[in-house]
Amino acid sequence: ETGVTQTPRHLVMGMTNKKSLKCEQHLGHNAMYWYKQSAKKPLELMFVYSLEERVENNSVPSRFSPECPNSSHLFLHLHTLQPEDSALYLCASSPQGGDEQYFGPGTRLTVT
Amino acid sequence: GDSVTQMEGPVTLSEEAFLTINCTYTATGYPSLFWYVQYPGEGLQLLLKATKADDKGSNKGFEATYRKETTSFHLEKGSVQVSDSAVYFCALLRNNAGNMLTFGGGTRLMVKP
Repeated sequence: ETGVTQTPRHLVMGMTNKKSLKCEQHLGHNAMYWYKQSAKKPLELMFVYSLEERVENNSVPSRFSPECPNSSHLFLHLHTLQPEDSALYLCASSPQGGDEQYFGPGTRLTVT
Repeated sequence: GDSVTQMEGPVTLSEEAFLTINCTYTATGYPSLFWYVQYPGEGLQLLLKATKADDKGSNKGFEATYRKETTSFHLEKGSVQVSDSAVYFCALLRNNAGNMLTFGGGTRLMVKP
């Protein structure tokens, strides 16, 4: 248990659905991250929020929309996804100025 | 840009064997280096880190030494256990890149009894 929780743990959605992934951290951190982990590819950083402001968006398609309403919660809103978006989506958090990131268990997403 | 290269897996070993997982990096300046481990069904956990040249990070019997001359940070363990079966990720953090880690591709370790 790292103090970072993610829901749901598993999600199956069609290409026309809209769903959201949720991440919550109980560590008092103020930076949060979304990563995509696909088979046979390096971990890809998608979004970074620091003090609730987005500071990095690595050219992620607009069908992924992040939201960070406060320093403890992070969402990833999904719409009109493609089968190649099927992956494990990991959330992480870190303290401001710290170098260690704490990861949640991930949401296994399957797009049919 | 920054990059991290790890040996491709899977690495399959018998219990009590010696483990080495190679990691080399490319980065400007003097990055901090990390090994993260991902057990089945879980997220990544920090295993060890080193923040400057010649530092040795260690944890749970694993060790890695920051070698600036060879830009390497190889992970070693003298005697692996079945419970060490996991995916291991090497990563770097440049000092002026905020908290944005660059990860290697991961190496799956399978330890057989």
